[in-house]
Amino acid sequence: GAVVSQHPSRVICKSGTSVKIECRSLDFQATTMFWYRQFPKQSLMLMATSNEGSKATYEQGVEKDKFLINHASLTLSTLTVTSAHPEDSSFYICSVSRAGYEQYFGPGTRLTVT
Amino acid sequence: QQQVKQSPQSLIVQKGGISIINCAYENTAFDYFPWYQQFPGKGPALLIAIRPDVSEKKEGRFTISFNKSAKQFSLHIMDSQPGDSATYFCAAVTSGSRLTFGEGTQLTVNP
Repeated sequence: GAVVSQHPSRVICKSGTSVKIECRSLDFQATTMFWYRQFPKQSLMLMATSNEGSKATYEQGVEKDKFLINHASLTLSTLTVTSAHPEDSSFYICSVSRAGYEQYFGPGTRLTVT
Repeated sequence: QQQVKQSPQSLIVQKGGISIINCAYENTAFDYFPWYQQFPGKGPALLIAIRPDVSEKKEGRFTISFNKSAKQFSLHIMDSQPGDSATYFCAAVTSGSRLTFGEGTQLTVNP
């Protein structure tokens, strides 16, 4: 498998502020990481694919200027939610891809925007 | 064509029973089919996976059955335990690792 960490595990921020979520691949160098969002009792929705050293690829309907993704190293990708609003409150999960098919997920970050 | 349909939405099983979750897909380009287990407030964990050239894969109490011609696959949990209570997601992958998830099944195993 693969070990993936996320920080913070929970964050509460005020509406209009920005919050950064870190995703780290702890035991191998990940050229590709994925960011998902999950609302209560729903499936995971892919937001974007993060490639080391290049711009992220966003899914249709995801605002790239609102959800800034940076994959500056082979072990770290960050997701910044800019000008957060209550509707951005969700569970954000990253994953790393290994061997082309297998994906291993982080523990998730619960974002609450008040 | 990218969808993966999963059923049932929820499932209640008695301890020791067999839990069965079904998935169906349309896109024949999918070539890897993982199942994930997710506990509340946690990220999904890879449980077991199968490739379409195999009809069945078993790991402990977990078995995937795969029917390529019907484009269906299922997860069987034998001797279900209360600790198996979680949400289960099937998924399908094309080369390049892009996962398409099913809608999820909330499994409750009663003691």
